[in-house]
Amino acid sequence: AQSVTQLGSHVSVSEGALVLLRCNYSSSVPPYLFWYVQYPNQGLQLLLKYTSAATLVKGINDFEAEFKKSETSFHLTKPSAHMSDAAEYFCAVSGDTGNQFYFGTGTSLTVIP
Amino acid sequence: DAGITQSPRHKVTETGTPVTLRCHQTENHRYMYWYRQDPGHGLRLIHYSYGVKDTDKGEVSDGYSVSRSKTEDFLLTLESATSSQTSVYFCAISERGGGSTDTQYFGPGTRLTVL
Repeated sequence: AQSVTQLGSHVSVSEGALVLLRCNYSSSVPPYLFWYVQYPNQGLQLLLKYTSAATLVKGINDFEAEFKKSETSFHLTKPSAHMSDAAEYFCAVSGDTGNQFYFGTGTSLTVIP
Repeated sequence: DAGITQSPRHKVTETGTPVTLRCHQTENHRYMYWYRQDPGHGLRLIHYSYGVKDTDKGEVSDGYSVSRSKTEDFLLTLESATSSQTSVYFCAISERGGGSTDTQYFGPGTRLTVL
């Protein structure tokens, strides 16, 4: 069975501050991990994904995430928050043979000017 | 942007009425998915399809049925809508399914309200 847990349903940061969104996964097989972003009234779009090629993954808009097997984590970071980063962020996992992707419950990011 | 459209985009209906939501893709992707998004629950998979006429259940399939008669269209039907099915519904597509590094591409969503 596979699942992801996102710690913190709401995160607020000041503009220019570090963004850290947490994701822990559970998987019986080596996982493939994803971060998606959802802007208001839109569908989800891919930020980045871990495919086992490198543990530090860089995505769009200066976001990056590091796969840590020992901690079963795939936290999302950005060095300096921008107002346009305000959105809902979802962590997702796949990796078994079930043809499915499993999503976390999401973290809403607020950026304070 | 991936070519995915959903119709209708908004719908208000009454309890007990049938409702069909349509997802249309122009990418010729094999896999198509229906999710519902609810506060506190994130995205939950309702049904998915891995080819024409090939479908399977997801986590929250009770009260929903699907059909895929063409590669490009995936229909979600609520046979008798209930208030608990008020939600935002997203369609997604991918070339390969879960168990891969494939990216899912999402449609714009359908907001369904059941009174």
